[in-house]
Amino acid sequence: GQQLNQSPQSMFIQEGEDVSMNCTSSSIFNTWLWYKQDPGEGPVLLIALYKAGELTSNGRLTAQFGITRKDSFLNISASIPSDVGIYFCAGANTDKLIFGTGTRLQVFP
Amino acid sequence: DTGVSQDPRHKITKRGQNVTFRCDPISEHNRLYWYRQTLGQGPEFLTYFQNEAQLEKSRLLSDRFSAERPKGSFSTLEIQRTEQGDSAMYLCASSLVVGGQAFFGQGTRLTVV
Repeated sequence: GQQLNQSPQSMFIQEGEDVSMNCTSSSIFNTWLWYKQDPGEGPVLLIALYKAGELTSNGRLTAQFGITRKDSFLNISASIPSDVGIYFCAGANTDKLIFGTGTRLQVFP
Repeated sequence: DTGVSQDPRHKITKRGQNVTFRCDPISEHNRLYWYRQTLGQGPEFLTYFQNEAQLEKSRLLSDRFSAERPKGSFSTLEIQRTEQGDSAMYLCASSLVVGGQAFFGQGTRLTVV
């Protein structure tokens, strides 16, 4: 099935560093969502974006809805060990969500 | 807990057997989605319901797969004559509005031996 492109594929960072990841699509979306998934669990919703150019924060997380509506970005500031996991973007219009390939984040103390 | 609930969490079955999974969405959510996720991949869309109507099915959903949402509340996903390639995490999600925030359950991990 269709999947969006996420980069980087994986990141290994030190605790306290900031993290940036992005998601790109060949199609336009009206909604962008960011999820975090821990091993053996379902994805947990972090941030939802509904308007092109929108910048939304949730604690140390900030996400942006790209102006072209074909991309989105997620930043995590001052990373901590519990940020470890896989981060997925998802785009949606009026029907299903299309997910990205994921960015695996490892945080070292 | 008023989140999305899936049952069972884990299922091991022999090849050729039928299996059925259940999903209870967040109450009053009219959209319900089924996704499949294999190791190292993002969730892949299988099908979704608006109330009791099944509105779209992915090409991934072969004729061995069937999903129902008979009263617009809980949903079941049945796989007939399971194959080893069916081994995956099956995820259910629900949302209140079209194109809105979708919340996922913890998933059912299926292993076909």
